[in-house]
Amino acid sequence: GQNIDQPTEMTATEGAIVQINCTYQTSGFNGLFWYQQHAGEAPTFLSYNVLDGLEEKGRFSSFLSRSKGYSYLLLKELQMKDSASYLCAVIDSNYQLIWGAGTKLIIKP
Amino acid sequence: GAVVSQHPSWVICKSGTSVKIECRSLDFQATTMFWYRQFPKQSLMLMATSNEGSKATYEQGVEKDKFLINHASLTLSTLTVTSAHPEDSSFYICSARGSGDTEAFFGQGTRLTVV
Repeated sequence: GQNIDQPTEMTATEGAIVQINCTYQTSGFNGLFWYQQHAGEAPTFLSYNVLDGLEEKGRFSSFLSRSKGYSYLLLKELQMKDSASYLCAVIDSNYQLIWGAGTKLIIKP
Repeated sequence: GAVVSQHPSWVICKSGTSVKIECRSLDFQATTMFWYRQFPKQSLMLMATSNEGSKATYEQGVEKDKFLINHASLTLSTLTVTSAHPEDSSFYICSARGSGDTEAFFGQGTRLTVV
């Protein structure tokens, strides 16, 4: 079956750095997304990786290793507004989006 | 990024009535629309996928006669919750993807409360 694993919850301190991991086993791979979702709101796009390596976008970076079925989202200089759920999603060989359950990130002052 | 507009943002309806939720792609042609449901503190659950001009493909366990999906144009898809019950109360979110695109853009979501 298809499976995406990410931690349920993480806690970090304002101003620090946090890395949220995502591992996947899917039938084929056509890219991996990271989305941010604040409580009661729809997800918003953060990043898309289809090739191995690190993609940097401001305070957020996303890394992909296709051979390991692994990705991480790195958040730097954490702000209180970064408290949210972070969803990892993979596009499989049928171009269907397979979603992880999300990681709830709690930022403490 | 592209804009997807979902309406209404929230709705309260009486048990037994039907509710229609609209999802519009404002600046691109959405060949594929996805409808999700999300219960509190749970992940997105895909309900159905629809391609313009075709019948929607429903995920296992989703009643197609209860959740009617129409994708008659490249910019509009609707989800109608028929004979709603309190257990249908949830956050419904649509996303849209253009032909040849990999990214799907999300609407703002609709919070449905059935009383």
